[in-house]
Amino acid sequence: GENVEQHPSTLSVQEGDSAVIKCTYSDSASNYFPWYKQELGKRPQLIIDIRSNVGEKKDQRIAVTLNKTAKHFSLHITETQPEDSAVYFCAATLPGTYKYIFGTGTRLKVLA
Amino acid sequence: SAVISQKPSRDICQRGTSLTIQCQVDSQVTMMFWYRQQPGQSLTLIATANQGSEATYESGFVIDKFPISRPNLTFSTLTVSNMSPEDSSIYLCSVGAGQVQETQYFGPGTRLLVL
Repeated sequence: GENVEQHPSTLSVQEGDSAVIKCTYSDSASNYFPWYKQELGKRPQLIIDIRSNVGEKKDQRIAVTLNKTAKHFSLHITETQPEDSAVYFCAATLPGTYKYIFGTGTRLKVLA
Repeated sequence: SAVISQKPSRDICQRGTSLTIQCQVDSQVTMMFWYRQQPGQSLTLIATANQGSEATYESGFVIDKFPISRPNLTFSTLTVSNMSPEDSSIYLCSVGAGQVQETQYFGPGTRLLVL
């Protein structure tokens, strides 16, 4: 079955710097890759997603890139702010299943 | 996106007892899921709640331990049966939305502590 690896597990950056989180998936048929942000005690919130027919997607300070050949996708956050501090989860899903396989999560700390 | 609520938001239970968690959506949805998130961990899919038929369980989860009901397109329940301290987790429901319903939105979660 599908497996998703996520790195790093923790990441500390200075405010204003960029943060990059990487995920690798195992099943080349996976076609949808969402990213979620989970603040302490809160539900996971979708922040950006990408489909397999697209290489990059951007939304203000957040971008996601997908390399289908290497089977990895990355979350890029530019100009980080303290409110970006949270746990970020990537996920992959196979066509027609609607089931998510989540990565292990990255705890991002933005230092003011 | 749909407004999703869960009840209870948290509970403390004694081992050997059962707890039923409710998930309510403000619009009809086809896809509804139940996840478990153990302390400090990622989300693990328990099952897909199917309207009008038995839930589809993932490997490692069984109906006797986690019975699920889905009586209509806006409501589902998950029961955690014969609880042990290892069942202490956050339980979240999610619903599928979007063009082909591949995007999932999560409920606020139910924080369960089993003593």
